[in-house]
Amino acid sequence: EAQVTQNPRYLITVTGKKLTVTCSQNMNHEYMSWYRQDPGLGLRQIYYSMNVEVTDKGDVPEGYKVSRKEKRNFPLILESPSPNQTSLYFCASSLGLTTEAFFGQGTRLTVV
Amino acid sequence: KQEVTQIPAALSVPEGENLVLNCSFTDSAIYNLQWFRQDPGKGLTSLLLIQSSQREQTSGRLNASLDKSSGRSTLYIAASQPGDSATYLCAVPNDAGGTSYGKLTFGQGTILTVHP
Repeated sequence: EAQVTQNPRYLITVTGKKLTVTCSQNMNHEYMSWYRQDPGLGLRQIYYSMNVEVTDKGDVPEGYKVSRKEKRNFPLILESPSPNQTSLYFCASSLGLTTEAFFGQGTRLTVV
Repeated sequence: KQEVTQIPAALSVPEGENLVLNCSFTDSAIYNLQWFRQDPGKGLTSLLLIQSSQREQTSGRLNASLDKSSGRSTLYIAASQPGDSATYLCAVPNDAGGTSYGKLTFGQGTILTVHP
């Protein structure tokens, strides 16, 4: 089954403790991206990647890092999480930049 | 900068009604428009992708139309069911001339409740 898989689905952590949210897709898609969803602000892009080793900032990249060492994986790294990064995070992938996008099930992160 | 607006923000209808959700965008130079469904606390499920060259796209009880020149899309849901209750989002990708090429700009969504 074609899918985008994120892990974990839920995470509660403390301020400053580094964490990684994994994202994997099995559709051989080149384009992957991360979004966060907050009430009243909607979905905002954090980072995106157009291919292996090619990444760039989205609208709200501060406090996040990404890497794309393999085509299928695009982890999101929070080196020193803060409470304002409490949010619902989504990973997305698509074959190209303007083709149908597929989203993961989301990761609900709480930073206390 | 592309802006996407969805109206109404919320809609409550009895089961069986046909309904229309609206999406408007400010920059008509789009490649496509995608409609998603989001259940509470869950991921986004792609419903329909309508290319800029298309006027309509259909999937089951769903029909999406696109009028690029006026910057509008509608999602028509026929014979609504309680299982259709969810938030519906529309999104358009950035074009090649801007930054964050390929970034999806989302509307704020329409929260649909279909009651028995």
